[in-house]
Amino acid sequence: DVKVTQSSRYLVKRTGEKVFLECVQDMDHENMFWYRQDPGLGLRLIYFSYDVKMKEKGDIPEGYSVSREKKERFSLILESASTNQTSMYLCASSDSGVPNTEAFFGQGTRLTVV
Amino acid sequence: AQSVTQPDIHITVSEGASLELRCNYSYGATPYLFWYVQSPGQGLQLLLKYFSGDTLVQGIKGFEAEFKRSQSSFNLRKPSVHWSDAAEYFCAVGFISNFGNEKLTFGTGTRLTIIP
Repeated sequence: DVKVTQSSRYLVKRTGEKVFLECVQDMDHENMFWYRQDPGLGLRLIYFSYDVKMKEKGDIPEGYSVSREKKERFSLILESASTNQTSMYLCASSDSGVPNTEAFFGQGTRLTVV
Repeated sequence: AQSVTQPDIHITVSEGASLELRCNYSYGATPYLFWYVQSPGQGLQLLLKYFSGDTLVQGIKGFEAEFKRSQSSFNLRKPSVHWSDAAEYFCAVGFISNFGNEKLTFGTGTRLTIIP
């Protein structure tokens, strides 16, 4: 069974902290994504990676960075957490080479910044 | 730029009634279209997808969707809903970014409530 695993379901962090959200996939997918989900706004793409150490900004990259040192792992970094980054974060992965195949999602990490 | 519009934020349907969730997209090329479902506290699961060919596509859980190029729409339908269909539904369009990479853009979602 295919799997995208996010390391935490719930996180509470303080303003100004550096926060790492981890995502691992076991499908050998080239593409990995980080989305932010907020009520009424749907899913908005923060960053995505199409290969190891390769990345592209999404629609809302400000305040975030990413790291992909290994194919199966994609990390989202909040350099200095702020209260407006309180949200649900979803990681996804997909295969490449076949046009827009299905994206598989993790369970999400609900981050609260206080 | 590509975009997806789901005009209905919240829909309430009686169990056993039919369902149609609307989705309109904006994209200059041939779209790749998806419907995902998110149950409470869960990630997203693919219901169905359209790439080419037959414009009526069948998905899991008895859902279907019809692609209408002239209306830029990809509406999701189910003839008879079950209480377990209560969830949030997202329409998405796949496209190639300026750097030649594959991306998905999502709509804002439609929350479906089922009443007995």
